[in-house]
Amino acid sequence: DMKVTQMPRYLIKRMGENVLLECGQDMSHETMYWYRQDPGLGLQLIYISYDVDSNSEGDIPKGYRVSRKKREHFSLILDSAKTNQTSVYFCASSLRDISNERLFFGHGTKLSVL
Amino acid sequence: KTQVEQSPQSLVVRQGENCVLQCNYSVTPDNHLRWFKQDTGKGLVSLTVLVHENDKTSNGRYSATLDKDAKHSTLHITATLLDDTATYICVVGDRGSALGRLHFGAGTQLIVIP
Repeated sequence: DMKVTQMPRYLIKRMGENVLLECGQDMSHETMYWYRQDPGLGLQLIYISYDVDSNSEGDIPKGYRVSRKKREHFSLILDSAKTNQTSVYFCASSLRDISNERLFFGHGTKLSVL
Repeated sequence: KTQVEQSPQSLVVRQGENCVLQCNYSVTPDNHLRWFKQDTGKGLVSLTVLVHENDKTSNGRYSATLDKDAKHSTLHITATLLDDTATYICVVGDRGSALGRLHFGAGTQLIVIP
């Protein structure tokens, strides 16, 4: 069905709590991404995963970690969330060769850390 | 420093009018350029990918051009509809594989009024 699914859509957490954001895709894409989007800024890459257990830091990895144990599933974990991690988080997936291929995004998870 | 600049920041047009959105970038190398549409509260949906110097693409009422010499792209929307109200995001990829980086603009917010 060519879809990237994110759960949950909305999440409210208190500072210091742990947060788990989940992402799934049904296209057998090797590459998956986690971005955050803040007002007035372009999307910023947190982590990229090239396949199962093959993850690399993006531009803003501090305070985040990821897990990819199955090709179709990529999780973003915030251990002890901070208020400045309030944002909208987007997961995306693509084939390894992306120059002429589509990049698919989920609908986003809006996280508020109080 | 932002490597992808979009203009205008926001734009209001009447239904049926045409509009042009601009993207200037300094990303080097510039392997490809993408335009995305993002409805409020939703994920990014791919509109088009431009790869070669002087590429032109067309996708219904959306058409785009790329001038790699000038590092500039335009997105034209003809005969706008109310459903075109969204943020349009320009993204430049520095490689053709997922090993490269995607550089996101902050977007142009288009509002189409009756």
